[in-house]
Amino acid sequence: QQKVQQSPESLSVPEGGMASLNCTSSDRNFQYFWWYRQHSGEGPKALMSIFSDGDKKEGRFTAHLNKASLHVSLHIRDSQPSDSALYFCAASDLITGNTGKLIFGLGTTLQVQP
Amino acid sequence: DPKIIQKPKYLVAVTGSEKILICEQYLGHNAMYWYRQSAKKPLEFMFSYSYQKLMDNQTASSRFQPQSSKKNHLDLQITALKPDDSATYFCASSHPGQNTEVFFGKGTRLTVV
Repeated sequence: QQKVQQSPESLSVPEGGMASLNCTSSDRNFQYFWWYRQHSGEGPKALMSIFSDGDKKEGRFTAHLNKASLHVSLHIRDSQPSDSALYFCAASDLITGNTGKLIFGLGTTLQVQP
Repeated sequence: DPKIIQKPKYLVAVTGSEKILICEQYLGHNAMYWYRQSAKKPLEFMFSYSYQKLMDNQTASSRFQPQSSKKNHLDLQITALKPDDSATYFCASSHPGQNTEVFFGKGTRLTVV
């Protein structure tokens, strides 16, 4: 079983709409979360991190973390066609704090329809 | 300008051969990593180096050998290539320490025939 699970596998929203992506960790050692975005032909690029319970907002992006359930979500407000990409949830190791060792989910493909 | 340069962008290799994937970063980071992205699998951590020393190795095979000749270089040598090694290999870097952002290169797409 994968340690980081994402849903849905794919998502289509209209331009200007709200996209909601979900992620759950099955390992309590992995409690620090990142959201990455990968456009076709590019490497993943970090969108935002969230390490504490509650909400974190950066522009049109809001992440929410519930540490009790190890569930993190990403909400994209006013979605733009340029937001169309593969979105990864990644968790880092609480115990070793080894930043570079991220455990990734399989990703959610977001398509924003003009 | 890309700050993490990976070469080549595409690579086709014959089964049993050996290849070296090149990575250099110009972000001033002291920690560098290799990840692999295969079809239908999550992006997978392979190695981490900090100040040119191996910190973590999650690959089961000794056929994968990172090489750090300079602090901003981390190449990946793969020997006795197999078709299962076909994947996109990403080099990444960050400042050492807890929970700092990891930056990725654009990847080298390796196909083993």
